[in-house]
Amino acid sequence: GQQLNQSPQSMFIQEGEDVSMNCTSSSIFNTWLWYKQEPGEGPVLLIALYKAGELTSNGRLTAQFGITRKDSFLNISASIPSDVGIYFCAGPELSGSARQLTFGSGTQLTVLP
Amino acid sequence: GAGVSQSPRYKVAKRGQDVALRCDPISGHVSLFWYQQALGQGPEFLTYFQNEAQLDKSGLPSDRFFAERPEGSVSTLKIQRTQQEDSAVYLCASSPAPEAEQYFGPGTRLTVT
Repeated sequence: GQQLNQSPQSMFIQEGEDVSMNCTSSSIFNTWLWYKQEPGEGPVLLIALYKAGELTSNGRLTAQFGITRKDSFLNISASIPSDVGIYFCAGPELSGSARQLTFGSGTQLTVLP
Repeated sequence: GAGVSQSPRYKVAKRGQDVALRCDPISGHVSLFWYQQALGQGPEFLTYFQNEAQLDKSGLPSDRFFAERPEGSVSTLKIQRTQQEDSAVYLCASSPAPEAEQYFGPGTRLTVT
């Protein structure tokens, strides 16, 4: 199946700083998804991207769908303590009649006060 | 409204025991997915149901893994003769339609000793 390479693996930042993380694939995706997972919880969808070159914002979060359709990045501006968690990129593979998701290995974000 | 719920939240099993993990999807969601998340990794697809039909089980790692959704609502993931490598968080997700956003439950953390 397809693989998603996510970087960096972990980040330690000061509260108020901006954060950037990215995801690359060896295959083309038609949709890119960014999820956040907090301890003891399942992933929660943050942003969905459907078109190459698309730039989408959700509050302090901004994500872009790369022109080649093989990469995406997520930016978080003015980080706050509640941004702590693991951020995953994901792409759907059409399987049968549903979209099974392929996930990256995640970026662990720690925000220091 | 109620989200996806999973039980138990934690399960410790001795190697060789059988376990059953339950998922209660969001009411009315036709699609149900199971994912396995190893420590430090992103979730990996196991199997997919549309109503009561299991349309894709390509991600099940061995024939010791079995999933069912007999009435198109609650689903059970069963693992027979558990092995240490089965230790992981098992996530369930549901969606209102096959290609719609997936909503994840909190997961069941399985530890095989």
